[in-house]
Amino acid sequence: EAQVTQNPRYLITVTGKKLTVTCSQNMNHEYMSWYRQDPGLGLRQIYYSMNVEVTDKGDVPEGYKVSRKEKRNFPLILESPSPNQTSLYFCASSPSKALHNYEQYFGPGTRLTVT
Amino acid sequence: DQQVKQNSPSLSVQEGRISILNCDYTNSMFDYFLWYKKYPAEGPTFLISISSIKDKNEDGRFTVFLNKSAKHLSLHIVPSQPGDSAVYFCASTTSGTYKYIFGTGTRLKVLA
Repeated sequence: EAQVTQNPRYLITVTGKKLTVTCSQNMNHEYMSWYRQDPGLGLRQIYYSMNVEVTDKGDVPEGYKVSRKEKRNFPLILESPSPNQTSLYFCASSPSKALHNYEQYFGPGTRLTVT
Repeated sequence: DQQVKQNSPSLSVQEGRISILNCDYTNSMFDYFLWYKKYPAEGPTFLISISSIKDKNEDGRFTVFLNKSAKHLSLHIVPSQPGDSAVYFCASTTSGTYKYIFGTGTRLKVLA
């Protein structure tokens, strides 16, 4: 089944404790992206990657890191989480934009709470 | 500065009637627009899109209209069904960039 998977789905952690949220897609998509969803703010793009070893900042990159060492994986790293990073996180992937009209396939989400 | 705005946080519609969800944008560089639907505890799913070279795109019960001069797009669902009850997000992007700007979402409730 074609899908985007995220782990963990739920995470409660404490301020300053490094964490990684994994994202993997099995559709051989070039493009991957991370978003956070907050009440009243919709979805905001954190980082995106056009292909392996190519990443760039979205609208809200502060406090986050990403890496793209393999095409299928795009982990989101919080080196020193803070309470304002409490949010619902979504990973998404997309095939070549030229062919597939920009639509993205989203994972099920990771709910992160930082205390 | 919210570049993509969905001014109606919620909308209720009777089953079988038309649902109209609106979205406004401010950035004239946006040239591709998408609608996503989101159910609770799931990720958004792509619904329909439109390029700025068109003013209408239709897919079954879903039609998206684009008014470039007003920087406004709308999603029409006809007829509305209870299963359409979800949060709808509009999103915009510019060709050649890889950035997407989403609106804040509209919660649609279709009443049986």
